[in-house]
Amino acid sequence: QSVLTQPPSASATPGQRVTISCSGSTSNIGSNYVYWYQQLPGTAPKLLIYTNNQRPSGVPDRFSGSKSGTSASLAISGLRSEDEADYYCATWDDSLSGVVFGGGTKLTVL
Amino acid sequence: EVQLVESGGGLVQPGGSLRLSCAASGFTFSIYSMNWVRQAPGKGLEWVSHISSSGSSIYYADSVKGRFTISRDNAKNSLYLQMSSLRADDTAVYYCARHLNSGTDYWGQGTLVTVSS
Repeated sequence: QSVLTQPPSASATPGQRVTISCSGSTSNIGSNYVYWYQQLPGTAPKLLIYTNNQRPSGVPDRFSGSKSGTSASLAISGLRSEDEADYYCATWDDSLSGVVFGGGTKLTVL
Repeated sequence: EVQLVESGGGLVQPGGSLRLSCAASGFTFSIYSMNWVRQAPGKGLEWVSHISSSGSSIYYADSVKGRFTISRDNAKNSLYLQMSSLRADDTAVYYCARHLNSGTDYWGQGTLVTVSS
């Protein structure tokens, strides 16, 4: 059971917009920055969004992050086939004194 | 360019020990906290341990507390994870990841640890 809750799957067609949610609590998302990662099959996770809504250089502006209270979300617009991957949210949990991850969302581009 | 390269994984019997290493380059290793994160086959990401830049603050997931020891050598730009009393459910790809605020930014490519008789 993951501390952060994500939907296990999401799907959309090319060109559409998809949103992935991440729900937590006051000790994690409510108190700290949220991070999002993309993991393609057989590869290490790659940072997509840091400190709630910032994109590292090289990440397309089709990817955006937001946070409100104890929830966060990742939005992907103009969906492309290469966006098909697993997506994870993460943050620090002050009660557990550690990084906590969501269970991951498998995105399928139909 | 930031690089993190893990090594030391392999096949080990239940109850055995293994030491993982992570060689860091392309940044000032001594000013960053670091993490170990693992991923069991077909499963999600699980944080394992965190160490502060100086090594003075260390945290572990409950699942590994008392069995794993994280350490670092800033002179050698290296991070370590000593794993003992290994169990089948420790089988996973182990990643080292640089800490940034309340998460991680750069990750290594991972090293596979298989616990099996």
